[in-house]
Amino acid sequence: DAKTTQPNSMESNEEEPVHLPCNHSTISGTDYIHWYRQLPSQGPEYVIHGLTSNVNNRMASLAIAEDRKSSTLILHRATLRDAAVYYCISYNNNDMRFGAGTRLTVKP
Amino acid sequence: DAGVIQSPRHEVTEMGQEVTLRCKPISGHNSLFWYRQTMMRGLELLIYFNNNVPIDDSGMPEDRFSAKMPNASFSTLKIQPSEPRDSAVYFCASSFSSQPQHFGDGTRLSIL
Repeated sequence: DAKTTQPNSMESNEEEPVHLPCNHSTISGTDYIHWYRQLPSQGPEYVIHGLTSNVNNRMASLAIAEDRKSSTLILHRATLRDAAVYYCISYNNNDMRFGAGTRLTVKP
Repeated sequence: DAGVIQSPRHEVTEMGQEVTLRCKPISGHNSLFWYRQTMMRGLELLIYFNNNVPIDDSGMPEDRFSAKMPNASFSTLKIQPSEPRDSAVYFCASSFSSQPQHFGDGTRLSIL
């Protein structure tokens, strides 16, 4: 039971922003929202995480809805190397359950 | 930082054989996780350890699977006897407490 819902796939053009949505309507107050991505033939890679406030790092930004029932991962300028499966995870106390994720395709 | 190291990278063996997958977590991390990834079922958590102690093994599919962590720098996942349906990519990950997990490059296992 992944506890999150994401679109199966999305497309983006290179150098344009990408907004990857995630619904987590049953999230509890102590669950963090984590995002990982998996490039072809590699293990998942941590992207970003947050609890209530929006977060920024060198890879991406995370916008969390005020009611915490949804969040959006923002890649400010997609590159071809960002093509991957992106997983949104509701995470608490080492219990990390991956869903199917969103397969992002980046077109040149 | 060498990252999480898994061995072997690839394993091909016949059904019925014993398979042992190995993992070296990042130094200083106190949590270690074993995952399995297949096309049908996606990425599944099998078991995780905290301070070398198994905490949750509810994801281990059956008694043929066992995992050990004899010390903070080494863990094994063993399948005995192996079956074709065990074919998958097995990932090991480590973290410090509930911080983000770092994954290895995985072991691609094929059971003929």
